[in-house]
Amino acid sequence: GQSLEQPSEVTAVEGAIVQINCTYQTSGFYGLSWYQQHDGGAPTFLSYNALDGLEETGRFSSFLSRSDSYGYLLLQELQMKDSASYFCAVRDRYSGAGSYQLTFGKGTKLSVIP
Amino acid sequence: DAGVIQSPRHEVTEMGQEVTLRCKPISGHDYLFWYRQTMMRGLELLIYFNNNVPIDDSGMPEDRFSAKMPNASFSTLKIQPSEPRDSAVYFCASSLEISGVRGEQFFGPGTRLTVL
Repeated sequence: GQSLEQPSEVTAVEGAIVQINCTYQTSGFYGLSWYQQHDGGAPTFLSYNALDGLEETGRFSSFLSRSDSYGYLLLQELQMKDSASYFCAVRDRYSGAGSYQLTFGKGTKLSVIP
Repeated sequence: DAGVIQSPRHEVTEMGQEVTLRCKPISGHDYLFWYRQTMMRGLELLIYFNNNVPIDDSGMPEDRFSAKMPNASFSTLKIQPSEPRDSAVYFCASSLEISGVRGEQFFGPGTRLTVL
């Protein structure tokens, strides 16, 4: 089966940098996605890493180490609007070739304080 | 594009009643996913379709749950009979193969179901 671990809550100050970690256990790993969800809203896609290294998209970056089964989401220049839950999700061969099924972690609730 | 459309947005029903949730995926998307989100269990995949065909329904909790996709633009998730433990937010998501390859799914606004 699969399992993903991420911290349940993180608090950070406006303007600062925060890192949200995700470790996973799965077989036939394809890649790691990150999603953002505001309270009462729907998950929205942020980034995807299939290869080792850092992917940057504006203030957000995502990192993957396949050998360590580990990834993180880095949020820079935090803004109040970044207060939300952040989910890592794995895509793997668990459900067979050609599957685009995702398995989500439980999410990390980020609170940005003034 | 209007995005993924779900209806109703809120549903309150009594235990034992039938509930039908509806989803219209983004036009042209050939994958459709139904998820359930609760505080305890997080975001769980219930079932997904490819080109209107159910591919994996191993996440459907029990026989009370059923899902159909009669055409490319419409899917339903039915719970019969409903129970209080079914209370959750149900999301529908869709994707193209090219977006699915990079782990990108497009979620609808969700249906918040409360079973009394």
